[in-house]
Amino acid sequence: GENVEQHPSTLSVQEGDSAVIKCTYSDSASNYFPWYKQELGKRPQLIIDIRSNVGEKKDQRIAVTLNKTAKHFSLHITETQPEDSAVYFCAASTLLRGYNKLIFGAGTRLAVHP
Amino acid sequence: EPEVTQTPSHQVTQMGQEVILRCVPISNHLYFYWYRQILGQKVEFLVSFYNNEISEKSEIFDDQFSVERPDGSNFTLKIRSTKLEDSAMYFCASSPPGGSGYTFGSGTRLTVV
Repeated sequence: GENVEQHPSTLSVQEGDSAVIKCTYSDSASNYFPWYKQELGKRPQLIIDIRSNVGEKKDQRIAVTLNKTAKHFSLHITETQPEDSAVYFCAASTLLRGYNKLIFGAGTRLAVHP
Repeated sequence: EPEVTQTPSHQVTQMGQEVILRCVPISNHLYFYWYRQILGQKVEFLVSFYNNEISEKSEIFDDQFSVERPDGSNFTLKIRSTKLEDSAMYFCASSPPGGSGYTFGSGTRLTVV
């Protein structure tokens, strides 16, 4: 089955710096890659996603890149702010079927210091 | 914005007892899911449900687990005989066909003592 590896497990940056989180996946059939932000004790919130027919997607300070050949995708956060501090999870899924089973990475705890 | 609603937010139960976790998915969604997150760990898929039957289940979802959509709006997860290792946050989610618009509920924290 699908396996998703995520690095680093923790990331500490100064406010205004960029943060990059990387994930690799194993199943070449995976074609949908969402990123979730989870604050302590709360639900995962979708922040951006990308499908396999696109190499890059950007939404304000957040961007995701996908390299299908290498089976890896990355989250880039620019101009980080303290409120970006949270755990970030990548996930992979195959949308061939009607439903959408997400396989999550282990998470990255991002700390943004003022 | 439509939400997935889960109750209760926190449940404490004795080992060996049965628990039922409840969810109300978004009304026009067709696919329903349960995920589990042990404290400090990643979110893990348990089961997906469509058209009143299980579409797929993980190896975590053994005979102690069952799901049901009893009345067309609620979606429940039952754990028959809880174990200490069932302590976790359980998230319900729903999605429309195609996968976009996937929405998680706020979770039920289950503590087995």
